[in-house]
Amino acid sequence: SQTIHQWPATLVQPVGSPLSLECTVEGTSNPNLYWYRQAAGRGLQLLFYSVGIGQISSEVPQNLSASRPQDRQFILSSKKLLLSDSGFYLCAWSVTGEQPQHFGDGTRLSIL
Amino acid sequence: AQKVTQAQTEISVVEKEDVTLDCVYETRDTTYYLFWYKQPPSGELVFLIRRNSFDEQNEISGRYSWNFQKSTSSFNFTITASQVVDSAVYFCALTRTGGSYIPTFGRGTSLIVHP
Repeated sequence: SQTIHQWPATLVQPVGSPLSLECTVEGTSNPNLYWYRQAAGRGLQLLFYSVGIGQISSEVPQNLSASRPQDRQFILSSKKLLLSDSGFYLCAWSVTGEQPQHFGDGTRLSIL
Repeated sequence: AQKVTQAQTEISVVEKEDVTLDCVYETRDTTYYLFWYKQPPSGELVFLIRRNSFDEQNEISGRYSWNFQKSTSSFNFTITASQVVDSAVYFCALTRTGGSYIPTFGRGTSLIVHP
């Protein structure tokens, strides 16, 4: 069966520090991969999605970047975190855009 | 452009009450998929149901039921005899067919079930 792993679960970082969140999927090949951010009490904001290795589409211009170095690995990065980067980050995968998305457990990021 | 509206920001009920979560969507496509997801307090989103635009039959799964009406562009979700474990944020989503990989999510409805 397919599983998705996302880590770390929680992270506290100072302003201006770098960021790396990792997501891996097991049990499937060539999945669509997604990064979402959810601010407290708000809806889901799609940040990046990828349909293949090295293919990244950005939905919202911001302080973050994403990479897909391997088929089932999706990384969210930042060189310098801002206070506004705080939130709950969710990674997800799907077989195709028409299929349901399957989400990781999320990372709660607090910027001090 | 697609749009999903969940007008109810928060709903509060007492256990055993029935509750309906509304979802209204906008799309110019004739074929599309609709979804419901549940986000419990722990944070991860859990897929509940997918419905394609050609299938307007209502669906029931235990205490959950879904009413899809193309005439009103709605895909409402009813929980019968609600339980405390149903407390969560529920998201409705819409995806195009034919190659689009970006789902459109509603802003979610927070359901609080009191014992």
